[in-house]
Amino acid sequence: DVKVTQSSRYLVKRTGEKVFLECVQDMDHENMFWYRQDPGLGLRLIYFSYDVKMKEKGDIPEGYSVSREKKERFSLILESASTNQTSMYLCASQWAGSSNQPQHFGDGTRLSIL
Amino acid sequence: AQRVTQPEKLLSVFKGAPVELKCNYSYSGSPELFWYVQYSRQRLQLLLRHISRESIKGFTADLNKGETSFHLKKPFAQEEDSAMYYCALRVDSNYQLIWGAGTKLIIKP
Repeated sequence: DVKVTQSSRYLVKRTGEKVFLECVQDMDHENMFWYRQDPGLGLRLIYFSYDVKMKEKGDIPEGYSVSREKKERFSLILESASTNQTSMYLCASQWAGSSNQPQHFGDGTRLSIL
Repeated sequence: AQRVTQPEKLLSVFKGAPVELKCNYSYSGSPELFWYVQYSRQRLQLLLRHISRESIKGFTADLNKGETSFHLKKPFAQEEDSAMYYCALRVDSNYQLIWGAGTKLIIKP
């Protein structure tokens, strides 16, 4: 069974802080994703990575960056946190063998920026 | 632009009643559609995909290209079906998905 682990379930940070959200998957998946989940807006893609050191911007990349130094780990970085980045963040991984493969999600990190 | 619309933010039905969660998409090509579900305090997970033509937990969804819809149906709702349901669209052999806003389904006893 695929395991996607997000380092924190809940996180509280202050405005202006640099925030790191970590995601690790154990199935050797090539593709990894970071989403924001907000009520009424569904899931919005922040960044997508299809290989180590490879990334693509999603729909809302502003204020975020990512790092994929190892295949199993995909980090989301809030360079200077702001209150409008308070949200639930979901990480997902996917096997790249076929594009209709499901995305496997972590439990999410509920981030509050004060 | 490609888009997925789930017109109902909240849907509440009695146990044993039929349920239909609506999903409409806009895409001129050949779509691939998915339903994902998130139960309370659980992670988001795939429920079913149109390409598999399967029934999962009593749910089915048929792709209607004429109406550009992929509605999720179940003839007799159960309390354990209460969850958040998301419809998602994959386009252009792309790995990325376009997500609907989600429908919260509440099954009343």
